[in-house]
Amino acid sequence: AQKVTQAQTEISVVEKEDVTLDCVYETRDTTYYLFWYKQPPSGELVFLIRRNSFDEQNEISGRYSWNFQKSTSSFNFTITASQVVDSAVYFCALSEGSSNTGKLIFGQGTTLQVKP
Amino acid sequence: DVKVTQSSRYLVKRTGEKVFLECVQDMDHENMFWYRQDPGLGLRLIYFSYDVKMKEKGDIPEGYSVSREKKERFSLILESASTNQTSMYLCASTRTSGGSYNEQFFGPGTRLTVL
Repeated sequence: AQKVTQAQTEISVVEKEDVTLDCVYETRDTTYYLFWYKQPPSGELVFLIRRNSFDEQNEISGRYSWNFQKSTSSFNFTITASQVVDSAVYFCALSEGSSNTGKLIFGQGTTLQVKP
Repeated sequence: DVKVTQSSRYLVKRTGEKVFLECVQDMDHENMFWYRQDPGLGLRLIYFSYDVKMKEKGDIPEGYSVSREKKERFSLILESASTNQTSMYLCASTRTSGGSYNEQFFGPGTRLTVL
């Protein structure tokens, strides 16, 4: 069965600290996509990144980086030198290749609080 | 700029009322989704629609129904609201072409309180 687990419910850091948000997934599909979304206090989920199951290259975008490891079924998200504006709820999600409707399976979400 | 809009940001209803939540997207997307978000549970899929007048149950459809009469509009209906339906409701849309590759675009959410 498909499942996404974000074991960290809440994380609190001080500005400029690095922080890693964990995501572990389960799927039987060999083709799938993993996503990270950010939900700021305004409520709207914002797409951050997508990764397909055949591409294990790590990705860096500014202060954000993602580590995808199929061997451990993990897709972790690191924020370097965190800022107060990074405070949000972050969701990891899975989309299976066998689905053509774009259905997403979401993790429970991790609330990140960055204190000044 | 792509947009998914929801009719209300905040809504307060009484137990037993019929509640309509409206969602409109301007991206000509075929697929639309309704989720509810509760602390510690993430987003759970209530219903989705892959075409006009077509719908499929998600993981938690009980107590809800949906309507999609036009491609751009997807409505969530609580036939008889109950207090356990107090939640944040999020609408999203995505294209069909590209299938599971496509990211979903979300509306700002409706925070519904049922008294």
